[in-house]
Amino acid sequence: DIQMTQSPSSLSASVGDRVTITCQASQDIINYLNWYQQKPGKAPKLLIFAASDLETGVPSRFSGSGSGTDFTFTISSLQPEDIATYYCQQYHALPATFGGGTKVEIK
Amino acid sequence: EVQLVESGGGLVQPGGSLRLSCAASGFTFTMYSMNWVRQAPGKGLECISYISSSSHTIYYADSVKGRFTISRDNAKKSLYLQMNSLRAEDTAVYYCTRDLDYEASWGQGTLVTVSS
Repeated sequence: DIQMTQSPSSLSASVGDRVTITCQASQDIINYLNWYQQKPGKAPKLLIFAASDLETGVPSRFSGSGSGTDFTFTISSLQPEDIATYYCQQYHALPATFGGGTKVEIK
Repeated sequence: EVQLVESGGGLVQPGGSLRLSCAASGFTFTMYSMNWVRQAPGKGLECISYISSSSHTIYYADSVKGRFTISRDNAKKSLYLQMNSLRAEDTAVYYCTRDLDYEASWGQGTLVTVSS
């Protein structure tokens, strides 16, 4: 199985800050990477697919980049409603595998 | 609008069985592979089973292999997970998902609690 290593596991930032999360795959996954947002008690919500494509309706402050094994997820200006846990997930090979998650909190 | 609605969760004793169901609507069910993803309390996400659109390809995580069985009924637009020999470590929210690629969609989840 492809291992997805996500960091940091948690972070605390101020409203308006730029927030960056990284995800590293154990082998080349081209750009077959999703990013999800999960709020407590809710199902994960797809934000970005194909490493950098924004899902319809997702605010433009969210972005993704990368290819191969190294990927980055960015919130350009953190908002209070962005408090959640974020996960990366590869779909290059079965089984789909997830990063361990990054819990984002407001400082 | 894509909708996935899970049912069948609940409290079960260790060694017991449960059958989860997922009713799909809003898309052509026969065209998509489906998955069950679970999340233990306070933990991350784990894809435990996958079934291709035709049921030709099936995958199980080692953690559930031999105990869980995935199936689908394309005529009823439904996905199932038969869970036998349940253990405390199977306690989790179980999500039904349509694919896990660029068209990923998730249900709201159903809670399975394994406890005596």
